[in-house]
Amino acid sequence: ELKVEQNPLFLSMQEGKNYTIYCNYSTTSDRLYWYRQDPGKSLESLFVLLSNGAVKQEGRLMASLDTKARLSTLHITAAVHDLSATYFCAVDRSWGGSEKLVFGKGTKLTVNP
Amino acid sequence: DTEVTQTPKHLVMGMTNKKSLKCEQHMGHRAMYWYKQKAKKPPELMFVYSYEKLSINESVPSRFSPECPNSSLLNLHLHALQPEDSALYLCASSQALRGATDTQYFGPGTRLTVL
Repeated sequence: ELKVEQNPLFLSMQEGKNYTIYCNYSTTSDRLYWYRQDPGKSLESLFVLLSNGAVKQEGRLMASLDTKARLSTLHITAAVHDLSATYFCAVDRSWGGSEKLVFGKGTKLTVNP
Repeated sequence: DTEVTQTPKHLVMGMTNKKSLKCEQHMGHRAMYWYKQKAKKPPELMFVYSYEKLSINESVPSRFSPECPNSSLLNLHLHALQPEDSALYLCASSQALRGATDTQYFGPGTRLTVL
């Protein structure tokens, strides 16, 4: 059974600081995704990582993937209040031509002024 | 256009009611998904349709009945629900192409309350 673990589950940080969210998964996978969810809202796709060593950056967020360690990281640089949200990683298990996404529990990020 | 639409936004129903949730996408995606999300929890997969055929049913109770009338539409029929079924129901779609990034795009969700 595929398991996805994120840590920390709660993260309170000051504006301007850096931090990293970790995502471990238990079995090999084709793809790893990062999503953002604001309270009461839907999920917004941030990154999809396909291969070992993949690194993607968008603004203050950078995601990386180490398939050998089964680890992905989401690094936040110089946090701003607008980044406050819950971040989910999700791992894909392709099945019969469609995807079965298994989500981590999410990291609730609060950026304080 | 990466939009998935869902109606209604909110739904309150009694345990004896029958209602339906609707999802629509016009991105040409051939895989569509229903997820259930309880408060402060991650989404949990319920059903997957691939090329209008049900390909995954995650042991969901029969009071939830999915339907995919065509490649753009996905319905979730609800009957005799329980209060613990109250949740945010999310629809998603993806291209269903092997070897592609195949990101799932999520709709805004329907917040369901069962009284």
